[in-house]
Amino acid sequence: DIQMTQSPSTLSASVGDRVTITCRASQSISSWLAWYQQKPGQAPKVLIYKASTLQSGVPSRFSGSGSGTEFTLTISSLQPDDFATYYCQQYHSYYSFGQGTKLEIK
Amino acid sequence: QVQLQESGPGLVKPSEDLSLICTVSGGSVTSEKSYWSWIRQTPGGGLEWIGHIYYSGNTNYNPSLKSRVTMSIDASKKQFSLTLRSVTAADTAIYYCARDNGYPNNWFDPWGQGTLVTVSS
Repeated sequence: DIQMTQSPSTLSASVGDRVTITCRASQSISSWLAWYQQKPGQAPKVLIYKASTLQSGVPSRFSGSGSGTEFTLTISSLQPDDFATYYCQQYHSYYSFGQGTKLEIK
Repeated sequence: QVQLQESGPGLVKPSEDLSLICTVSGGSVTSEKSYWSWIRQTPGGGLEWIGHIYYSGNTNYNPSLKSRVTMSIDASKKQFSLTLRSVTAADTAIYYCARDNGYPNNWFDPWGQGTLVTVSS
């Protein structure tokens, strides 16, 4: 099975900062990767799919890149609503998720 | 717009079976593009795909849970279900149902709100 590893596990940042979260796959998954945002008490919500395609309605400050085994999610200018937990998910072979990155207010 | 809602007991005793239902509104479970999944989230936050079912009844399960999982679908009721047998405390989690739109669109959207299932005597 494919293991997904995110880093960092926790990230402290301020409104207006540019932040990057990394996700690594244990084997190549081509571009079959999605990113989700989860807020407390809510289900995850998809932000990006196929590694870099923005889901409809998601602000353009979110972007994704990468292919193969290394991927990044970037938020260009943090807004108060962005403080949440982020997960990557591969769908190359079955489905598996990273352990999550909690984005906290500094 | 498709919406999903989980239902079922919030407390299950160890060694018993966990059974949940997901009801789909605003769309059809017989869409040829859609697979209907169950995903769980442990108290520590980890997400685990349990399996999915197609409207035809074809299923795929996570190999780590395959021996204990059964899914079914009832198109007339717009529902699909999960049974997890012989549960232990390690099965305590929030259980979500979600849709994926099949290859190559195998991400999950939308999700239900989730239902907490606690395994305890």
